[in-house]
Amino acid sequence: AQTVTQSQPEMSVQEAETVTLSCTYDTSESDYYLFWYKQPPSRQMILVIRQEAYKQQNATENRFSVNFQKAAKSFSLKISDSQLGDAAMYFCAYRPNFGNEKLTFGTGTRLTIIP
Amino acid sequence: DGGITQSPKYLFRKEGQNVTLSCEQNLNHDAMYWYRQDPGQGLRLIYYSQIVNDFQKGDIAEGYSVSREKKESFPLTVTSAQKNPTAFYLCASASGRASVDTQYFGPGTRLTVL
Repeated sequence: AQTVTQSQPEMSVQEAETVTLSCTYDTSESDYYLFWYKQPPSRQMILVIRQEAYKQQNATENRFSVNFQKAAKSFSLKISDSQLGDAAMYFCAYRPNFGNEKLTFGTGTRLTIIP
Repeated sequence: DGGITQSPKYLFRKEGQNVTLSCEQNLNHDAMYWYRQDPGQGLRLIYYSQIVNDFQKGDIAEGYSVSREKKESFPLTVTSAQKNPTAFYLCASASGRASVDTQYFGPGTRLTVL
């Protein structure tokens, strides 16, 4: 069974600084997708970034980028120039690449931005 | 606007009652999902449907039921058999084409048992 582990329940960062959130996963599949979702106080899950396992290049979306290490099964999220609006719970998620399989989520990291 | 809507935002249930949570999408997505979120935990899959009139159990289906009579709608019923239903419920949908199969979420329903 696939598992996703987020070992940092809480993180904090000064506004405008950079922070990295960690995620590791366990799977026997070779083809899959990885995601980072953000859940602000409104509680709606918002997609931040996604990575296809077959792509060696790390995904980037504006201030958000990932460090995908397939052999190590690691998928960290880097947030540059942190802003107050980045404060939220961040969830790492995994999905195998066949059909509409479920997402397997980690337990989340609560990110606090210090003004 | 295209998107996923869930209603109601807050729902209160008495012990022994069944309640139904609504989820509607106008994204023309084939697949729809129901997740449950408890404090300090990630989301857990209750049920999912890849096509109209078909659905599969997820990891925690006991005490829940669903239907998929229309592509746009995937209501979730929380039955009296669900022993601890107080939680936040999120509905999601995905296109069904694997290359773009990202799940997008609705705003959620908070269910509280009185």
